[in-house]
Amino acid sequence: EPEVTQTPSHQVTQMGQEVILRCVPISNHLYFYWYRQILGQKVEFLVSFYNNEISEKSEIFDDQFSVERPDGSNFTLKIRSTKLEDSAMYFCASSTTRFQETQYFGPGTRLLVL
Amino acid sequence: QQQVKQSPQSLIVQKGGISIINCAYENTAFDYFPWYQQFPGKGPALLIAIRPDVSEKKEGRFTISFNKSAKQFSLHIMDSQPGDSATYFCAASNNYGQNFVFGPGTRLSVLP
Repeated sequence: EPEVTQTPSHQVTQMGQEVILRCVPISNHLYFYWYRQILGQKVEFLVSFYNNEISEKSEIFDDQFSVERPDGSNFTLKIRSTKLEDSAMYFCASSTTRFQETQYFGPGTRLLVL
Repeated sequence: QQQVKQSPQSLIVQKGGISIINCAYENTAFDYFPWYQQFPGKGPALLIAIRPDVSEKKEGRFTISFNKSAKQFSLHIMDSQPGDSATYFCAASNNYGQNFVFGPGTRLSVLP
């Protein structure tokens, strides 16, 4: 069964450093998303991406964040200058068409900012 | 208005029992209500979803009950099994928005 993959599984970084989280969505999916989950808290939407541009973003997704689909398979989330409060599990998800279709989540990247 | 409330925060059920998790929302524009199951270290996985044109949807041991007038929906897990032990999130979205609003989650433990 096809699945969303994410790398790395864990990332430790120093405050102020840039990090790039990588995702490979399911191959025939057209919509891509990033969510985050601070430890023990709910899943929060960050951004959706379709046709090489951001479709919607939440208030969490400020200028420190950016997304890119650099090639036909990868979807990346960049945090330019990490803060302590960026420590969380970051999930990538993808779906075939509209947002309300089943979203398939990846296993997540646990980011720890020291 | 964008919040989805969920209760209980945690739930302990004996094997074979019924697990019930409740959610409530305010935004009447929401028209899609999925439930996600999350095991430790894994991403959320869609379990079952409902739209407000039906009051109940059943898939195997999992049932969603939906009360549009009360703006509430619930997940029932019949014959709960230890393998059901996970965190369950309800969520909501609308046709025009492009993001899910998640509830805070319920940690279910099913005792053998």
